[in-house]
Formats: sequence, structure tokens, C-alpha cells
Amino acid sequence: QVQLVQSGAEVKKPGASVKVSCKASGYTFSSNHMHWVRQAPGQSLEWMGWINVANGKTKYSQKFQDRVAMTRDTSATTAYMELNNLRSEDTAVYYCARDAVADSISLSWFDPWGQGTLVTVSS
Amino acid sequence: DIQMTQSPSTLSASVGDRVTITCRASQSIINWLAWYQQKPGKAPKLLIYKASTLESGVPSRFSGSGSGTEFTLTISSLQPDDFATYYCQQYNSYSTFGQGTKVEIK
Repeated sequence: QVQLVQSGAEVKKPGASVKVSCKASGYTFSSNHMHWVRQAPGQSLEWMGWINVANGKTKYSQKFQDRVAMTRDTSATTAYMELNNLRSEDTAVYYCARDAVADSISLSWFDPWGQGTLVTVSS
Repeated sequence: DIQMTQSPSTLSASVGDRVTITCRASQSIINWLAWYQQKPGKAPKLLIYKASTLESGVPSRFSGSGSGTEFTLTISSLQPDDFATYYCQQYNSYSTFGQGTKVEIK
């Protein structure tokens, strides 16, 4: 079955960087784009951006444009999201989510989602 | 950016009730809308995509409708497993989520 397994929880200090991984299995990794979404405690879902896994091209939400980098390793079927210059407001659960439609040039709905990675930013 | 506004924010209902959640987009998103269910400590689960297409395995008591800027998610007869938070998502122009609707036990 299609599965996304994320790396474990992280605790970081303000100004540091964090890199979250998302290991995909059960499908052809390069056929579907991968999205990253975060959820601050008690808040809604916030889309951060996506990566075209086939060619590595990315599109980021303007809010994160200057601080985020999404990459992938096709040989390891793993996607990565790195967020730099962390601040306390970045404390959240970070999810990877597969774009549901294979070989698509546009976005679609997200399915499935990884289990989430809690990133805590605290001095 | 397209803004998504859900209502109500919280909904108190009983088992067996018919429940409707509304999602409004700040501009037309045609039918590029999905609905998700999220339970505490869990990742969102896809329920409906393209505004009205039920995801495989999702109970038929869930249904979606609408187009353009106004959409609804309906649960025809609320079951104990349905108490959760529901989010709409537009994917017409990148992606945006609504603020969520928490369905509570009355």
C-alpha cells in the first residue's frame, strides 16, 4: 500500500535549521508531486509548497519562500523539507502529502499523508 | 491568494443527526475542492475530491456538493466515529485550507 513515513520529532533553538524527511513506498516515487503542509498547535493546515519529484522543480508559498528548501532523493524514494532561521512561531507538526494524481502538470488533492513530524522551536 | 472560509467553526450534534458544513472561496475554484477529516494527533484523511467525488472506502453517508465559490460537506447520519475536525482545501491555484470545523458531541 502507498505509505509515507516521516522522520522523528525535533527540538531546535531559534535561528537554527531543521530538515524533515519523508520516505515513500508502494508506488512509483517520481510519478507524483510531493507537498509539505504544517499545522501549528490548535491551528488549521498551512500549505508550504511542493516539489515535482520527477525533475526537482519546486514552488513555495510566498510566506516561506526565503526560508524553505524542498528536495528529493529518487534513489532513496525520499523527499526532504528544510526550514531555516527557525523562530518560535515555526513550532508545528510538519506533514508531507502526496499529490494524488500521477504524471500531472497541475496540483490535485493530497493522498496519502505522512504521520507528521513535530518540530519544537524553543530557547 | 485564494482564501477559504468555513462555517461554522464548531458544530454540536448528536448521533444520527444530519450535519452540513459550508466552505466559501474568495474567488471561483470551479470544482477543485477536497474535504478532509482529522482526528486528534492524526494526519488528515481524504474524504472527497473534485467537490463531490467520494474517496474509495469512505462511507456513503458523506457527500459533497457545490461549484464556483460555495461548497458543502454533508454527513447524512452522524456516527460516533465522525466526531472530528473537517477541513476544506482548494487546489485551483496552489493550495489553501479552510480554518476547520470541529464536530462535537452534543
